Amino acid sequence: DIVMTQSPSSLAVSAGETVTINCKSSQSLLYSGNQKNYLAWYQQKPGQSPKLLIYWASTRQSGVPDRFIGSGSGTDFTLTISSVQAEDLAIYYCQQYYDTPYTFGAGTKLELK
Amino acid sequence: QVQLKESGPGLVQPSQTLSLTCTVSGFSLTSYSVHWVRQHSGKSLEWMGRMWSDGDTSYNSAFTSRLSISRDTSKSQVFLKMNSLQTEDTGTYYCARATVATDYWGQGVMVTVSS
Repeated sequence: DIVMTQSPSSLAVSAGETVTINCKSSQSLLYSGNQKNYLAWYQQKPGQSPKLLIYWASTRQSGVPDRFIGSGSGTDFTLTISSVQAEDLAIYYCQQYYDTPYTFGAGTKLELK
Repeated sequence: QVQLKESGPGLVQPSQTLSLTCTVSGFSLTSYSVHWVRQHSGKSLEWMGRMWSDGDTSYNSAFTSRLSISRDTSKSQVFLKMNSLQTEDTGTYYCARATVATDYWGQGVMVTVSS
């Protein structure tokens, strides 16, 4: 199975700050056939289902604010949230969909400082 | 409007079989795949398996031999059956639609395995 390692596990931020969440996969998620990285980012707020933010490592899902930016390739990926707002406080997960089982990272909890 | 809704028993006895239904609307099961994902309380997400749009299935080997996913396209329903339940199977079970990644999720159904 592909292991997804996220860091940090939690992050305390003030509104307006920029935060970076890291995700590392145990093998490359870049498929040579289409040069796409099979990596998604999700946001989960308490009591809610996960919400897709980013897919193909850097493509924003429709309706997701442009302060959410995904980057990276191969085995190293980053989710950057610029100018964090109170509504962004949640747990963020990365997931690889390169190969089954489609594994998730352990999550990064974004909290208010 | 795309919607998915999980239903099933909230309480299952150990060693028994869990049967969940995911009822979808706003899209066709023959055009999109549907995934099942589990989440233990306060923990991360665990991918269980997938019903492809062509009716094929993929499973997480961690559940092999006790997990089965099927569907009834006429009723727009996808089913999850998992046998030999143990207390560690307690959690919230989600179904989710996938195009590339899983873009629409149900609200989840909480399942407790306890006698």
